[in-house]
Formats: sequence, C-alpha cells, structure tokens
Amino acid sequence: ETGVTQSPTHLIKTRGQQVTLRCSSQSGHNTVSWYQQALGQGPQFIFQYYREEENGRGNFPPRFSGLQFPNYSSELNVNALELDDSALYLCASTDARNRDADTQYFGPGTRLTVL
Amino acid sequence: GDSVTQMEGPVTLSEEAFLTINCTYTATGYPSLFWYVQYPGEGLQLLLKATKADDKGSNKGFEATYRKETTSFHLEKGSVQVSDSAVYFCALSDAGGSQGNLIFGKGTKLSVKP
Repeated sequence: ETGVTQSPTHLIKTRGQQVTLRCSSQSGHNTVSWYQQALGQGPQFIFQYYREEENGRGNFPPRFSGLQFPNYSSELNVNALELDDSALYLCASTDARNRDADTQYFGPGTRLTVL
Repeated sequence: GDSVTQMEGPVTLSEEAFLTINCTYTATGYPSLFWYVQYPGEGLQLLLKATKADDKGSNKGFEATYRKETTSFHLEKGSVQVSDSAVYFCALSDAGGSQGNLIFGKGTKLSVKP
C-alpha cells in the first residue's frame, strides 16, 4: 500500500510569486485535505477535495485554491505569496466510502519559505 | 466553534518515566478524537483514535480514553523511551464521524533523556 506523497519537499519563493504544491493520495483514498502548519503551531485546515470538487474550506483567503484530478491526486495553489505563507503544507487523504472515513493519513509535507 | 486545548510543553522526561499529556476539547456534536505524532522534519503519523465516549485508543504502549463527562482525551504511556521524543498533537474531527476536517491543538513537544 502506497502512502501519501508530496512534492516538492522544500521550496523557496519571493513575495508576490505563485506556487503549486502537489499531493498523491494513499492508494484507494478518494478524498484529499490540505493543511497549513506554521512553525510551532498545530495544522490549520485549508480545504478538502472530494470527487474533484471543493468539499469544505477553512478560514483561508481565495488566493489559496486547489484542484483534484480523476486519479484523486491534488494540487494546492497559492497566489500573491505573502511572508506569512511560510509554513509546512500537509496533505492528508482518506476514503469517504470507508466506515473509518474520519481518519486522515498525512504525507511528509512541503516546506515553503517566502522571502 | 469546536476547539482543542493541549497542555503546553516542552515536556522533558527521563527514560522509563510515566507520561501524561493533557488534552481537552470543545465540540457541539460527537466528534472522533485523535492523537497524532510528528517526528522532527516529518509529517504527522496517526498514533491512536477513539470514536465514542468511554472508548480507549491504544498503540505502541500509548493509551487515551474518550471522556465525555470531562471532555478530555489525555495521552498516557507507562514507560517512555528516547525514541518517543517528538511533538504530539491532539485533534478532533468536526463533522461528527464523517470525513470532515481535523481541528488540532497546538502540540506538545516531548523530549526523553537517556
């Protein structure tokens, strides 16, 4: 069974640029969620994708957007980067058809630094 | 809204000491409760979960019991090892058992000294 994978591992951008982060869900999982983890804090929910549509969103501005593809992989896009966007971005997946659907499995994260 | 409060760290223990990390929650429904662990430079790993009142989750010697009357889900381990050094996060699922988003506490850093 393949776990959740994310790319790239690390990324450095400058303020105002745009970034795309990628996530492949765990084998058999059809739902992907994205979280932002600032240094020393717990992860904060950004949004969730199910059946290629956004299925819930946290308190993040519209410049945070996403996609889910037919193979359930997902992208997180952030436009007009700000210094406060520097964080570890975590992707998590689950299978909405499963009785255990509230359990999310996390990838290793992408460390984004905005200069 | 729903929230999770964890004891602040860091927590420093000697090997084989007893561990308790306190976690309390506020929720309008009946959430599932989780403990995740994050080792340095890595993502989050599910440690254990409980889905209803009085359920006990356990894994790798760690235990936590879902206490609805005290809205708590404290993490315990009888004898910690150096390899348990990590950051521990308590979380709840805010959609009453479906695949809703997780709400996390701020994390508790545990350091175990040999």
